[in-house]
Amino acid sequence: DAGITQSPRYKITETGRQVTLMCHQTWSHSYMFWYRQDLGHGLRLIYYSAAADITDKGEVPDGYVVSRSKTENFPLTLESATRSQTSVYFCASGQGAKEQYFGPGTRLTVT
Amino acid sequence: GENVEQHPSTLSVQEGDSAVIKCTYSDSASNYFPWYKQELGKRPQLIIDIRSNVGEKKDQRIAVTLNKTAKHFSLHITETQPEDSAVYFCAASKNYGQNFVFGPGTRLSVLP
Repeated sequence: DAGITQSPRYKITETGRQVTLMCHQTWSHSYMFWYRQDLGHGLRLIYYSAAADITDKGEVPDGYVVSRSKTENFPLTLESATRSQTSVYFCASGQGAKEQYFGPGTRLTVT
Repeated sequence: GENVEQHPSTLSVQEGDSAVIKCTYSDSASNYFPWYKQELGKRPQLIIDIRSNVGEKKDQRIAVTLNKTAKHFSLHITETQPEDSAVYFCAASKNYGQNFVFGPGTRLSVLP
């Protein structure tokens, strides 16, 4: 489990501010994912990446930006945070058609 | 796009009884169906998965069945124990693991 980490673990920010959530994995997995988890909605995919410099939208990408310049890192940026983006964010990684390993999550509150 | 429904949303069983959680999916092209368990305050973890070319898979007390024609799959837990209490998520994916769509989750409580 220590192979995938997220930072910060908790974040409080104000509406309109930019915030970046970090995700780092040490397994050299090709795939990385960002999900948000809200009560009643389960886990919803925001963005995913099949390899460095390759990213694609998931179910709920609006208001988020990702990049993947290195295989091990997959930061998620909220360009102008809104209250509706208050959520728990999980990063995950996987080697293609196998298990996705989830990070410990980041609890983000937008006030 | 894919839509995954999951029932029931909450489930309480007595210790030692069986629990069944059902999911339906909409996209007939989906071919990989994992189940994740999430304990309170923890990250989701894979407990079992099944591919579309298999009808059933078992791992000790847990099993998953898949009906491709009806587009539904189910998680079966036998001889439930208190440590099985958690939220369980099903998911469906095309291309064997890209772009998962998760169900909304089932909160399972195993009563001693």
